[in-house]
This record gives sequence, C-alpha cells and structure tokens, in this order.
Amino acid sequence: DAGVIQSPRHEVTEMGQEVTLRCKPISGHNSLFWYRQTMMRGLELLIYFNNNVPIDDSGMPEDRFSAKMPNASFSTLKIQPSEPRDSAVYFCASSLARQGGVGSPLHFGNGTRLTVT
Amino acid sequence: RKEVEQDPGPFNVPEGATVAFNCTYSNSASQSFFWYRQDCRKEPKLLMSVYSSGNEDGRFTAQLNRASQYISLLIRDSKLSDSATYLCVVNYNAGNMLTFGGGTRLMVKP
Repeated sequence: DAGVIQSPRHEVTEMGQEVTLRCKPISGHNSLFWYRQTMMRGLELLIYFNNNVPIDDSGMPEDRFSAKMPNASFSTLKIQPSEPRDSAVYFCASSLARQGGVGSPLHFGNGTRLTVT
Repeated sequence: RKEVEQDPGPFNVPEGATVAFNCTYSNSASQSFFWYRQDCRKEPKLLMSVYSSGNEDGRFTAQLNRASQYISLLIRDSKLSDSATYLCVVNYNAGNMLTFGGGTRLMVKP
C-alpha cells in the first residue's frame, strides 16, 4: 500500500524565494496534517485539514506560510518569501478520523528537508 | 508549561536491560494516547496506542495513569535496534489533533 507521499525530499533555496511542498495522503484518509520539526522546537503542528477543509491553522507561524488542500488526494504548503529560520524538516501526515473526533494514529510521509540560505 | 512533556534523555542502557520512559500531559480531557518511534533522519512511526487498562506488544508495555496525567512506555530485553527517539503523543482536545512531546532518546549499547 502506498503511504503518504511527499515531494521534494530535499529543497535548498535562497532567502526570499518561494517554496512549495507537496503531499499526497493515504487514499481514504480524511484528515491531513502539516508538521514542522527542528532540533530546538521538536514537532510542531502547523495546520490540520479535515475533509479538505482547514480546521485549525493556529500553528502557522506567520502570513508567509499558506496551505491548501484542493482535493482529497493533494495538499500544498507554501512559504513566500522564505527565510533562513524556516529551515526544518516538514512532515505531512494523514489519518482516518473517526466519528466523534477521537484522535486516530497518524501516518507520516518521509518529510521534506528544507534549507534556506 | 508544555502540553506534553518528556525527559529528552539520552537514556544509555546495555543490551538486555529494561528501560522505562514517562510522559506527562496537561489537558485532563485528553482521550487518545500513543507512542511513536523516530529513527534518525526518518519520519515518526506509530509504535503502539495506549489504552486505559494498559497494553502490551511483545517487549513493549504501555500504561496510562489518568489521575496523575502521565503515560509510560516500558521496554524489556532492550535490543540495539531499539535505539531511537520515542515520542509521546496526546490528543489535547475533543478533535483529531495530536500533540507530540519533545521525545526521549534511547541508546542501547552492546
């Protein structure tokens, strides 16, 4: 079975450039999450979609970050303009949320390692 | 106070040892609890869910203490391959959002 697929695996860009990260969740999953991981701050939830609708984006650091989920099989996380402090590993994860909303296990993609110079 | 707290370690143990990690959470309404494992430069992977009555999966035992708001993970007969970071995960509201602790690093030595 295909897991969560993220692209690119690595991204190196210069400060000020636009960066777009992509994610394909597991087929049939109805929840999608974007996380960022750094040594200093660990895993931070950026935004969460349920049935393609953003439910909570309180973790998005600032207006430079935006995320979309145009359909059930695709999501993007965009940073514009990028800054060196955005350097991190960005994980996408999906799950099948049960009725009543009790937390379900997450399945993670391999992550995108972003370096902004 | 962080919502989910873990001792970052590292815990250095010899092969065959028993090791235990605790994790505390701040929201008493939390309903779902998990342990994830993350290897260096890899994505987190689900190790096991944690049930109210406690549960076991081979050498791994998870416990939940709602009164004191902590969960634990016990690893018996440690293997070199158990070396990883173990992440405590809690849902902190009634929805499907999961919050990760900072992780506890385990190093199993020959």
